[in-house]
Amino acid sequence: AQSVTQLDSQVPVFEEAPVELRCNYSSSVSVYLFWYVQYPNQGLQLLLKYLSGSTLVKGINGFEAEFNKSQTSFHLRKPSVHISDTAEYFCAVSEGGTGFQKLVFGTGTRLLVSP
Amino acid sequence: DAGVIQSPRHEVTEMGQEVTLRCKPISGHNSLFWYRQTMMRGLELLIYFNNNVPIDDSGMPEDRFSAKMPNASFSTLKIQPSEPRDSAVYFCASTRGAGEQFFGPGTRLTVL
Repeated sequence: AQSVTQLDSQVPVFEEAPVELRCNYSSSVSVYLFWYVQYPNQGLQLLLKYLSGSTLVKGINGFEAEFNKSQTSFHLRKPSVHISDTAEYFCAVSEGGTGFQKLVFGTGTRLLVSP
Repeated sequence: DAGVIQSPRHEVTEMGQEVTLRCKPISGHNSLFWYRQTMMRGLELLIYFNNNVPIDDSGMPEDRFSAKMPNASFSTLKIQPSEPRDSAVYFCASTRGAGEQFFGPGTRLTVL
């Protein structure tokens, strides 16, 4: 069965510093990978997705992620964060066995950006 | 497009009462998902439908929970009777085929 691990429950960082949020998944078949962001009192919004092709994926708000099949990772990065990036970030995976429909989410990483 | 619409946005009820949450997916989407989010358990998939048919309800906590999708543009999640431990934010999401799910704004349920 597929699973997603987000090792860091909270990541504090100063404004304009780079950040990496880690995500590892467990699956024996082909996968799609996603990063979602949740701002306070809102629903989840897609940041970026990997379906196939280039392993480096660029998303909205200057975020990018790299799919590493050998390490089963899909870490999210941003070279310079803003205060407005403070939010909860969720990594998710879907498997070919479910028609890539069912998403399994990690437990989330809270990014705290301070001035 | 208006996106996924959920109602009500907030619901406060007393233990033992019936609660019905509603969701209107994005037009043209053929799959619909119900999630529950709490601090303790994170984001949990409760049930999902494909072409109005329930595909996987293994996440439904117990018989007090039920979900229906009578047509492609409407779904309900019902809790009867409600309990304080059901307090959470309930999200509905929809998708067309595989890939990205679009989430609604959620319903914040408080059971006193």
